[in-house]
Amino acid sequence: QVQLVQSGAEVKKPGASVKVSCKASGYTFTSYDINWVRQATGQGLEWMGWMNPNSGNTGYAQKFQGRVTMTRNTSISTAYMELSSLRSEDTAMYYCARGANWNLDYYFDYWGQGTLVTVSS
Amino acid sequence: QSVLTQPPSASGTPGQRVTISCSGSSSNIGSNTVNWYQQLPGTAPILLIYSNNQRPSGVPDRFSGSRSGTSASLAISGLQSEDEADYYCATWDDSLNGPVFGGGTKLTVL
Repeated sequence: QVQLVQSGAEVKKPGASVKVSCKASGYTFTSYDINWVRQATGQGLEWMGWMNPNSGNTGYAQKFQGRVTMTRNTSISTAYMELSSLRSEDTAMYYCARGANWNLDYYFDYWGQGTLVTVSS
Repeated sequence: QSVLTQPPSASGTPGQRVTISCSGSSSNIGSNTVNWYQQLPGTAPILLIYSNNQRPSGVPDRFSGSRSGTSASLAISGLQSEDEADYYCATWDDSLNGPVFGGGTKLTVL
């Protein structure tokens, strides 16, 4: 079965960077995009960007341009999201989600369990 | 401020039918299909409806979706206590060149 397993919770100081991993199993890793979506406590979902694991191509939401980097290691079917220059407003649960295409539709059909990133001095 | 607009809350009693609306614009719902996600308390979202009205395997047929113009809606019939969750609509936005979400609707089963 398809699974996305994320790395554990992180606590970072303002100005630091964080790198979250997402290990895929149960399907061909290079066949589907990996997206990153975050959710502040009690708030809604916010899309951060996507990465094509086959080509390494990426697309980032304008809000995160210049601060986020999405990479992958195909040999271990793992995607990474690194967010730099952290501030308190980046405290949130970060999810990876598989992007699926069907009939001109694009949706997230499997999600990781989430990684809590806390930014605090 | 979310690109797609949802009511913050909705409620119903067991067995009742409830609907949740999602309003957008010509650059998103007006030109792309809509998906719905369910997020149970303390868990990751799961895909509930894709391509306006398609249910992934395992999703009960009590859940249905529709789209008309620049709006969409999710209907839940035969409401059950386990349906108490947050529901998010989502679609692609051609202007932003990426997926966008609604602010979410918290469904309470009374």
